[in-house]
Amino acid sequence: GAVVSQHPSRVICKSGTSVKIECRSLDFQATTMFWYRQFPKKSLMLMATSNEGSKATYEQGVEKDKFLINHASLTLSTLTVTSAHPEDSSFYICSAYISSGQLREGNTQYFGPGTRLTVL
Amino acid sequence: LAKTTQPISMDSYEGQEVNITCSHNNIATNDYITWYQQFPSQGPRFIIQGYKTKVTNEVASLFIPADRKSSTLSLPRVSLSDTAVYYCLVGDIRAGGYQKVTFGTGTKLQVIP
Repeated sequence: GAVVSQHPSRVICKSGTSVKIECRSLDFQATTMFWYRQFPKKSLMLMATSNEGSKATYEQGVEKDKFLINHASLTLSTLTVTSAHPEDSSFYICSAYISSGQLREGNTQYFGPGTRLTVL
Repeated sequence: LAKTTQPISMDSYEGQEVNITCSHNNIATNDYITWYQQFPSQGPRFIIQGYKTKVTNEVASLFIPADRKSSTLSLPRVSLSDTAVYYCLVGDIRAGGYQKVTFGTGTKLQVIP
């Protein structure tokens, strides 16, 4: 099946620093990727939609200058949390959309394993 | 975006069949129904997807009535390892027409020995 990886899986940083999270589709090309965040015992909340070669579309209430998204290739999207603060501590999950024709399980989105960010 | 409603939690004994129903009254013509499983501190894992009637794969079945306003995920003979949160998502997933989907609360399934 489709595999989406994230790196790092866990990161601890000091307040005020920036953290970059990578999301890769390993065996398929993804023109569209999504970034979510999830707080403990809560559901996933969509942050932004990332399209290869164009600017990301952010959900209402998500600061685009704080959460920088770059989708430079068909297999890689990055989320950079700039000037991180303790309230940014969360579980960040990416997903990649697979169109039909690439894999048997086409026309759906597959999720990465997530990145646990802790800001001290 | 079609809103989904699921039971918050369910308990089941090992070896039993579990059926989780999701309501999506405002489902649109081009929307598909997808179910995901999520374990703590992991990303959601694709289980099954369908548009109408019944879909079956190696791990589950998905039943969708003719009006498509609800769907039921059926897990045959659950084991302890099936304890997880199950999400029902509804959205247009066609190539070129893919839209973002909204996660609902999900159903926390607890399998009891």
